[in-house]
Amino acid sequence: GAGVSQSPSNKVTEKGKDVELRCDPISGHTALYWYRQSLGQGLEFLIYFQGNSAPDKSGLPSDRFSAERTGGSVSTLTIQRTQQEDSAVYLCASSLAGGRSDEQFFGPGTRLTVL
Amino acid sequence: GDSVTQMEGPVTLSEEAFLTINCTYTATGYPSLFWYVQYPGEGLQLLLKATKADDKGSNKGFEATYRKETTSFHLEKGSVQVSDSAVYFCALPNSNSGYALNFGKGTSLLVTP
Repeated sequence: GAGVSQSPSNKVTEKGKDVELRCDPISGHTALYWYRQSLGQGLEFLIYFQGNSAPDKSGLPSDRFSAERTGGSVSTLTIQRTQQEDSAVYLCASSLAGGRSDEQFFGPGTRLTVL
Repeated sequence: GDSVTQMEGPVTLSEEAFLTINCTYTATGYPSLFWYVQYPGEGLQLLLKATKADDKGSNKGFEATYRKETTSFHLEKGSVQVSDSAVYFCALPNSNSGYALNFGKGTSLLVTP
């Protein structure tokens, strides 16, 4: 079956521009997670959704970052006024119910480069 | 908060050598523990997991045993192959963030013929 998909796969933008990253989770998965992977910081958690709700936004690096999920499915991560330190690979993952032992399935990531 | 610490690489081994990648955890309670792997050019995927103390997770010849006495979850394989070259991440779920995963820094493994 279809896995987690993300688009675009690569995004190059200029400093100060806004970007939107999209995640399509596995159908029927209620939990969705966004992570960021960079050389200096490793894998960092950003935000999670249970259904359309995001109970914990504390992982977002700044108020320039926001995310939403609609219809219990597609999620969009938006970065406003991008900075060079935002350059990273943004990963999305989903799991069936968001339980403590549930496997998270990861998408291929969006590589963001801010010039 | 809950966290994992894993040995940093890179690790270079010859084919058929024995592999150990150390991982220790700090947690309140007894979380599930995971090993994820990232092959070159591919996304993260689950390698194995254990959900309680003394459980052994295994997959593709890899094994890891959840040891609460030593708070460890070391990854082992008896005979590595070139195709095992990848980055390996130890992880545990954060109950304060919907069980989002806290990852170790990753260990890069290169297996040479």
